Amino acid sequence: GQQVMQIPQYQHVQEGEDFTTYCNSSTTLSNIQWYKQRPGGHPVFLIQLVKSGEVKKQKRLTFQFGEAKKNSSLHITATQTTDVGTYFCAGNMDSNYQLIWGAGTKLIIKP
Amino acid sequence: DAGITQSPRYKITETGRQVTLMCHQTWSHSYMFWYRQDLGHGLRLIYYSAAADITDKGEVPDGYVVSRSKTENFPLTLESATRSQTSVYFCASSDTAVYQPQHFGDGTRLSIL
Repeated sequence: GQQVMQIPQYQHVQEGEDFTTYCNSSTTLSNIQWYKQRPGGHPVFLIQLVKSGEVKKQKRLTFQFGEAKKNSSLHITATQTTDVGTYFCAGNMDSNYQLIWGAGTKLIIKP
Repeated sequence: DAGITQSPRYKITETGRQVTLMCHQTWSHSYMFWYRQDLGHGLRLIYYSAAADITDKGEVPDGYVVSRSKTENFPLTLESATRSQTSVYFCASSDTAVYQPQHFGDGTRLSIL
């Protein structure tokens, strides 16, 4: 079936190190959305990318959508304790109402 | 967000019982969604609704029933709960099906003994 694979499942970093999570789809996506879920919380929308090759930035967060619209990445520069949580990508396949979700990448800051 | 509320926040019940999870949104969004979240699976869509009286199955609909008689409410019923339905359930809404963010409630943590 239609899938969005997200890696890694977990990433442990020291505070101040960078973090990256990747999403790959087996089929072309019409858009990709990124959400953040804090521990014990609910997913919160961060951003949406629609155009091929699109890059968007939110402070220390950089989001990219691949040229073929099949992959995406989220990069956080110089992580802070407030970045802790699970980051999900989700995309719509063409003409499909259902958002297909990646399994998420959990960002853990080492003490 | 205060605009979408779920109740109860926590529920413990026994196998075979019927249980209903409530979801209410104040944005007048057309689309509403029910997801379950289990470790290692991310979010899986159970049912969604495009408008009042219009519902459709998602990825994992078996064992669940939904209704949407009013735009603002989208209850989810487990007709005969099973242990495999122990999960965290999230309700979400959006203005359109595509190209709009989904707004989530705080979730219901359901345990079936």
